[in-house]
Amino acid sequence: DVKVTQSSRYLVKRTGEKVFLECVQDMDHENMFWYRQDPGLGLRLIYFSYDVKMKEKGDIPEGYSVSREKKERFSLILESASTNQTSMYLCASSPGNQPQHFGDGTRLSIL
Amino acid sequence: QKEVEQNSGPLSVPEGAIASLNCTYSDRGSQSFFWYRQYSGKSPELIMFIYSNGDKEDGRFTAQLNKASQYVSLLIRDSQPSDSATYLCAFPGYSSASKIIFGSGTRLSIRP
Repeated sequence: DVKVTQSSRYLVKRTGEKVFLECVQDMDHENMFWYRQDPGLGLRLIYFSYDVKMKEKGDIPEGYSVSREKKERFSLILESASTNQTSMYLCASSPGNQPQHFGDGTRLSIL
Repeated sequence: QKEVEQNSGPLSVPEGAIASLNCTYSDRGSQSFFWYRQYSGKSPELIMFIYSNGDKEDGRFTAQLNKASQYVSLLIRDSQPSDSATYLCAFPGYSSASKIIFGSGTRLSIRP
């Protein structure tokens, strides 16, 4: 069974802080993704990575960066957290163009 | 035109009836389609995928694909209250095969 693990289920941070969200997958998948999901807006892709040290911007990359130093780990970084980044963050992985498997999500609140 | 369109719902179906969820897409080159189920406060879970025209059945679920009409649907037979969730259709993006384009989802409510 595919396992995608996100480091925190709930996280509360303050405006201006640098925030790290970690994601680990155990299936040797090439692709990893970070989404945010807000009521009425659906899933929005922030960044994705198709290989170690490779990354591509998604639809809403502003205010975020990512890091993929190892194949199994994909980190999302909020450089200077703002209140409009309060959201549910979802990590996913997939092999090739196969379906994505999601982690449980991190509900992030920025105060 | 949006790449994938779904009726946001809510779609209300009596328990035991057939729930029909629909999705239209704009990319004629799409070869595969996925259906995800998402319970409130949870992450999306893959429940069906279909690669060829016609029907694919898995238990109470049937996925139907019509490439000529650019239309994919999900039928849920003998609907149960536990089927109440948001259903997302998705397919690989043409600009990057690694990306998946998600619909905004249809909220399904099964009433006892």
